Amino acid sequence: DQQVKQNSPSLSVQEGRISILNCDYTNSMFDYFLWYKKYPAEGPTFLISISSIKDKNEDGRFTVFLNKSAKHLSLHIVPSQPGDSAVYFCAASENSGYALNFGKGTSLLVTP
Amino acid sequence: EAQVTQNPRYLITVTGKKLTVTCSQNMNHEYMSWYRQDPGLGLRQIYYSMNVEVTDKGDVPEGYKVSRKEKRNFPLILESPSPNQTSLYFCASSRLGTGVDNEQFFGPGTRLTVL
Repeated sequence: DQQVKQNSPSLSVQEGRISILNCDYTNSMFDYFLWYKKYPAEGPTFLISISSIKDKNEDGRFTVFLNKSAKHLSLHIVPSQPGDSAVYFCAASENSGYALNFGKGTSLLVTP
Repeated sequence: EAQVTQNPRYLITVTGKKLTVTCSQNMNHEYMSWYRQDPGLGLRQIYYSMNVEVTDKGDVPEGYKVSRKEKRNFPLILESPSPNQTSLYFCASSRLGTGVDNEQFFGPGTRLTVL
C-alpha cells in the first residue's frame, strides 16, 4: 500500500498566483520529507525538504509546511511562474533510513 | 560537474535477452539506488546500496539484480526481461542514505521497452 499519497494528479494555476500541492503520508516513522520537481525527459531534481522537528521551511518562492498530527505536508509556490510547470513528487523517509518513498506525483501547469 | 550518468538512455529489447543498465556518479557518494517510474504509480524503489558490496531490496526487486563492486558504479541487471519491465528507470545517489540532508541526485533516466 502506498505510504505517501498525492491525491491530486494535476493542478492548473495562473501565473503570479499561489500553487499549493498537497501530500499525505501514513507511516508515523517518517521524519524527513522532500519535494522533487521533474521535467519531461529529465531526472527528478531536489527542490526543498523539511525534517519533522520543523513545521515550515522556506527557500525563495518555495515553502513546505508540515503538519505531523495530520500526517500532511504541502508545498506552496508564490508567485507561480510558467517555468514551474512540471511534475512534483512528494517523498518521505525515516531519518536513519535507506528507502525513499514517493507519491505518484502532481502535474502542475502554470498558465500565462 | 557533479552528476549521475546512465547508459543507455533508450533501449528496445526482446523478452529474455539479458541486459544491463549502467549507472555512475562522480560525487563520491556512499548511497546509490534504482527506481522505476510507471504511469499512475510514481517512482518505486527497486534496489539500493549503502556502500560497496552492500545492497538491499526496495519495494519492487523481482526480476532485477544489482551489484556494487566500486563506489561510483551501480549497474542494474535484467537477466530475463519481460514486457512488464517496460518502464522508465532512474538511478540516484546521495552522500549517506535518505535521511536529513541526504537529498538524492538523479540520473537522466533510461527508457526501456521489452517486446
